[in-house]
Amino acid sequence: NAGVTQTPKFQVLKTGQSMTLQCAQDMNHEYMSWYRQDPGMGLRLIHYSVGAGITDQGEVPNGYNVSRSTTEDFPLRLLSAAPSQTSVYFCASSYSPNNPYEQYFGPGTRLTVT
Amino acid sequence: TQLLEQSPQFLSIQEGENLTVYCNSSSVFSSLQWYRQEPGEGPVLLVTVVTGGEVKKLKRLTFQFGDARKDSSLHITAAQTGDTGLYLCAGDLQGAQKLVFGQGTRLTINP
Repeated sequence: NAGVTQTPKFQVLKTGQSMTLQCAQDMNHEYMSWYRQDPGMGLRLIHYSVGAGITDQGEVPNGYNVSRSTTEDFPLRLLSAAPSQTSVYFCASSYSPNNPYEQYFGPGTRLTVT
Repeated sequence: TQLLEQSPQFLSIQEGENLTVYCNSSSVFSSLQWYRQEPGEGPVLLVTVVTGGEVKKLKRLTFQFGDARKDSSLHITAAQTGDTGLYLCAGDLQGAQKLVFGQGTRLTINP
């Protein structure tokens, strides 16, 4: 199993550009989530999904969209990048939507917006 | 305002010393987890505690969940340089279907 994979590993965007961060898992996990990590702030939840076709907002959803058309994939879209979105983004998955703990994290995408 | 407060945020000690990291909240959690993160990688789960007062041991690491399920601690005995990393606590609010993370404790063990 590859676990949770994320692409790209690094990305530089100009203000106003859009892009999609890819996330895939091969563990047949129902629960998937996106976090951003900024210095001194731990991980903050952006969006999450308890199964295909179901998504919900987390703590910091503004400026981001998600969709979940399959169990395996959970892409995160930045609609119009802003410097405040410079961060490291992590995708995570968990076996059951009733137990969001015990999450498996991907390696992260480091995004810089200039 | 952070729902889970970790202390200290930075800790640098010598190899062989003992240390404790704290994770505190005014909220009650169904469970609490501890993750460890290396530079350039995603967090990796160390342990989950679910019962108030529960103590779990992982080699030289001891994790405790508070009786009221509002706080937790991580104690490392005889720290080694390989323990260096970012330690994150995360709580599962009942029925919320999501985790909240503390801001992390950056631990450096010096040889």
